[in-house]
Parts: sequence; structure tokens; C-alpha cells
Amino acid sequence: EPEVTQTPSHQVTQMGQEVILRCVPISNHLYFYWYRQILGQKVEFLVSFYNNEISEKSEIFDDQFSVERPDGSNFTLKIRSTKLEDSAMYFCASSDRPMSSYNSPLHFGNGTRLTVT
Amino acid sequence: EDQVTQSPEALRLQEGESSSLNCSYTVSGLRGLFWYRQDPGKGPEFLFTLYSAGEEKEKERLKATLTKKESFLHITAPKPEDSATYLCAVHLYGGSQGNLIFGKGTKLSVKP
Repeated sequence: EPEVTQTPSHQVTQMGQEVILRCVPISNHLYFYWYRQILGQKVEFLVSFYNNEISEKSEIFDDQFSVERPDGSNFTLKIRSTKLEDSAMYFCASSDRPMSSYNSPLHFGNGTRLTVT
Repeated sequence: EDQVTQSPEALRLQEGESSSLNCSYTVSGLRGLFWYRQDPGKGPEFLFTLYSAGEEKEKERLKATLTKKESFLHITAPKPEDSATYLCAVHLYGGSQGNLIFGKGTKLSVKP
């Protein structure tokens, strides 16, 4: 069964450093998303991306965050200057249709655990 | 404010002991309700989508139901491999693409 693949599985970085989290969505999917989960808290929406542009972003997704689809297979999340509170699991997800369509669930990757020290 | 609340936070069952997990929601307009399973260190794995009150979906030992205020995930004769955290999430009318609002989850442990 096709999967969403995320690398690395664990990233440790120092405060103030830039990190890039990488995702390979399911190949025929067109809609891409990033979520995060701080330890012990809810999974939270960050951003959705379609047709090479951001469709929607949450309040969490401030100017320190950016997303890109640099080629036909990768989808990346960049954090420009990491803060301690950015430590979390970051999940990439994809879907083949918009969520407003019937039966169009998000398929999640296994996440990147980001630790900011 | 739109809210999704799951109960109990944790549930311990003996193998074969059936039970139900609850997801209650107070939202402005529900477009769809999703159930996911999450194993430790893994991403959420899709189980079901429910769209209207009265709808039911089944998969193996799991059955999800929906009312106007809540959803239940019924687990019949669970096995140890059903141990996981079960997440409920809602998608709202007027909500953005992909913006699911998640509950905190119910951590299920099934002992042999």
C-alpha cells in the first residue's frame, strides 16, 4: 500500500538554527499538509498546500515557517530560526482530493521528531 | 469555540472485553468526522469517516457511529494488537482544506 514517507525520523538542532523536514507524499496525491504534535498534546494543523501554493495556514504557521514542493515528489517544511517551543513531532499528510470531497481522508507519514536544544 | 473531546483518556481492557470510546464535539458545522489509530512513534492511520447522524461504519472488530453531538468507536472482543491511541478529528463547513481539529485521543491497552 502506498505510504507517505518522512525524513529524517529524528532531528536534533540548536535554537536559532534552520531545519528542513522532508516528505514524499503518495505519488498520485495532489493535496499536501503539515501537522505537528507537541508531546502529550493534540495533533494541530499547520498548513495545506495545493497547486504549488499555500491553501490555508494556521496561527502557528508564522513567518518562521515555509513550505515548498521543490520537485515532483518532495514536499518540505522549513523552520528558519528554531525555538525551544518548536520541539514536536511533525507529520506530513497527503490526499488525492480536497477534504470537501466525499471519502477523501488524509494519509499521514510517521513523522519527524524535532528536538530543539 | 469549536471543540473535540475524547473520553476516557485511557482505557484498559482484557482481551475479549468489549467497550466503547467516545468523541463529543461542539462545532459550528460538521462536514465530516474521522477516526484514526496511532501507534507509538507513528503517524495517525486512517480508520473511518462519518458524515451524517445515524451513519455507521465497520472494520473488523471496530464499529464507528455518529450522532449530532458525538461519535462512538465500539470495539468488540478486542485483541492485544488493538492496543493503540485512537484519535477523533472533525472537518468543519467553512473550514479550510485539510484543517482537521483533533481530540487528545484515548489510549487503549488490551491485556491478554
